[in-house]
Amino acid sequence: QVQLQESGPGLVKPSGTLSLTCAVSSDSISSPNWWSWFRQPPGKRPEWIGEIYHSGTTNYNPSLDSRVTISVDKSKNQFSLKLSSVTAADTAVYYCARGPTSTGSVDSWGQGTLVTVSS
Amino acid sequence: DIQMTQSPSSLSAFVGDRITVTCRASQNIEGRLNWFRQKPGKAPELLIYGASSLQTGVPSRFSGSGSGTDFTLTISSLQVEDFATYYCQQIYRIPFSFGPGTKVDIK
Repeated sequence: QVQLQESGPGLVKPSGTLSLTCAVSSDSISSPNWWSWFRQPPGKRPEWIGEIYHSGTTNYNPSLDSRVTISVDKSKNQFSLKLSSVTAADTAVYYCARGPTSTGSVDSWGQGTLVTVSS
Repeated sequence: DIQMTQSPSSLSAFVGDRITVTCRASQNIEGRLNWFRQKPGKAPELLIYGASSLQTGVPSRFSGSGSGTDFTLTISSLQVEDFATYYCQQIYRIPFSFGPGTKVDIK
């Protein structure tokens, strides 16, 4: 059973950079899957942020593209998210997940971490 | 971008009821649709992928159907743990997008 665990600061100042890491266990980050980041503001639907393949190939949501960087560290079996120039609108629970897989499923999620943007 | 809509936005039901949630895409997404259940304070949980394939470990009371632009999620006999919010998600074209959700609560 693959497990994912997000980690990083829960509070980020406006105009700063949000940085999160997702540690993957019981699966290799080099398996033939994409690895994704999502976020969900309180009371709203989830939003897809972007995805990365173990080769380093990335795809980002165009609405965030200029501010997002997703990277992978195969030696640590983890992947990371950086979101720059944050505002209060970036306050949300952030999730990492495995997928889309070859079937299109997004089948395993981290528990999520709340990131608040505030001074 | 592909817009996803869901109906109803909320519904009330009894344990044991059969319920259906509808999801519509703004353009043809073939069968590239996932369904999730989300309980308060928890991550989304995959129920159905590829519009109609039951995720491993998910009870058989859940089923999905549809293709193109119109999809449905059916729960044949609602259980206590099914009182939650349900989301559809298209993975046909980036940016992958979710519907607004259907909240199911106890009548």
